[in-house]
Amino acid sequence: DAKTTQPNSMESNEEEPVHLPCNHSTISGTDYIHWYRQLPSQGPEYVIHGLTSNVNNRMASLAIAEDRKSSTLILHRATLRDAAVYYCILTTSGSRLTFGEGTQLTVNP
Amino acid sequence: GAGVSQSPRYKVAKRGQDVALRCDPISGHVSLFWYQQALGQGPEFLTYFQNEAQLDKSGLPSDRFFAERPEGSVSTLKIQRTQQEDSAVYLCASSRSPWDREQFFGPGTRLTVL
Repeated sequence: DAKTTQPNSMESNEEEPVHLPCNHSTISGTDYIHWYRQLPSQGPEYVIHGLTSNVNNRMASLAIAEDRKSSTLILHRATLRDAAVYYCILTTSGSRLTFGEGTQLTVNP
Repeated sequence: GAGVSQSPRYKVAKRGQDVALRCDPISGHVSLFWYQQALGQGPEFLTYFQNEAQLDKSGLPSDRFFAERPEGSVSTLKIQRTQQEDSAVYLCASSRSPWDREQFFGPGTRLTVL
């Protein structure tokens, strides 16, 4: 599986946008970019995924660089409930997920 | 609707005991995954089922770990002769089909081996 690189931690203020970066310079043409998050004491939760084009859903937006070597998860208005570990994962169709250490997001009131 | 459920939520075992962890996936989900999450780390893949067939068990750390899904629904992860290094949260996830991109995770079972 191609490797991803994320900052260990980030901080944000409540109701402000958050941009979580992910580098994946060895991404292959068939790799999809997935984001999951894990709230304290819970299992991971799917957030969003994409291949080449930017994606939006009710939870977040995913901005993918033109060369696909990096991507950014955007939370438009952070809430305290968004405090979690965010994982950027590359995978092919329906296959196992390879988690790294993720980014611990702290949201300040 | 019901999500993925796991039982027990917490399990304490003495070193050398056998344990069985249960996963109830979302009804009708074809794919089922088991992951192991050590404290402070991301989950690591253990094994994958497509219906009742175990198609990938490359992540099982030793032959003490065994998983089954005999009727293609409920799955059990069994660990024989538990060791302290087996202490972790064991997560189960399911997805609708082998091509579906979203995995639904259960809350996990926290195993502590004393």
